[in-house]
Amino acid sequence: DSGVTQTPKHLITATGQRVTLRCSPRSGDLSVYWYQQSLDQGLQFLIQYYNGEERAKGNILERFSAQQFPDLHSELNLSSLELGDSALYFCASSPWGQGDGYTFGSGTRLTVV
Amino acid sequence: AQKVTQAQTEISVVEKEDVTLDCVYETRDTTYYLFWYKQPPSGELVFLIRRNSFDEQNEISGRYSWNFQKSTSSFNFTITASQVVDSAVYFCALSGSNAGNNRKLIWGLGTSLAVNP
Repeated sequence: DSGVTQTPKHLITATGQRVTLRCSPRSGDLSVYWYQQSLDQGLQFLIQYYNGEERAKGNILERFSAQQFPDLHSELNLSSLELGDSALYFCASSPWGQGDGYTFGSGTRLTVV
Repeated sequence: AQKVTQAQTEISVVEKEDVTLDCVYETRDTTYYLFWYKQPPSGELVFLIRRNSFDEQNEISGRYSWNFQKSTSSFNFTITASQVVDSAVYFCALSGSNAGNNRKLIWGLGTSLAVNP
């Protein structure tokens, strides 16, 4: 157990639907990062939150949004889903102010049918 | 712009062979971090090593070793006496250490290693 919890582990949904992926960071970590791993794009950074505030955006589609709550857990919302959104979505957390490595959750595998 | 290149898409070796996975990076930052992660068939990302740009010492951890050379912008990973359990996709990644909290990881495309009995 890495200490970063992602739920659900698997999700199958239809095109056009909306889903929410959840991430609880490791205890004490203030930063949360979301990554998408797809077959054609590899691992891509989506968005980072630090202590509730958005800090950086990567290749995140407008149909996707995220937030980090006061208890530091984060949610990634994916709407108007398309077949191409099928991917493994990882959450990672890291402490503030340190160059420590990132702790990854086990990922949510999203399949859009 | 930052970039990580893993030129080897797939490598296949026989058990007990040594294998080196190459990683070349590009960055304009003077301070940065390099990482290797392992992704076994189960899908999770397993942290292997982190190196900062000021530490060029090579590192050995059991059968794993890493060769960091700033002069060639490379951070290569060697598995000695490979085993079937080493079969996985290995990712090299780079992050900057700019002020603030934006330290996203830039990933290579990964090298798929198959170790055959």
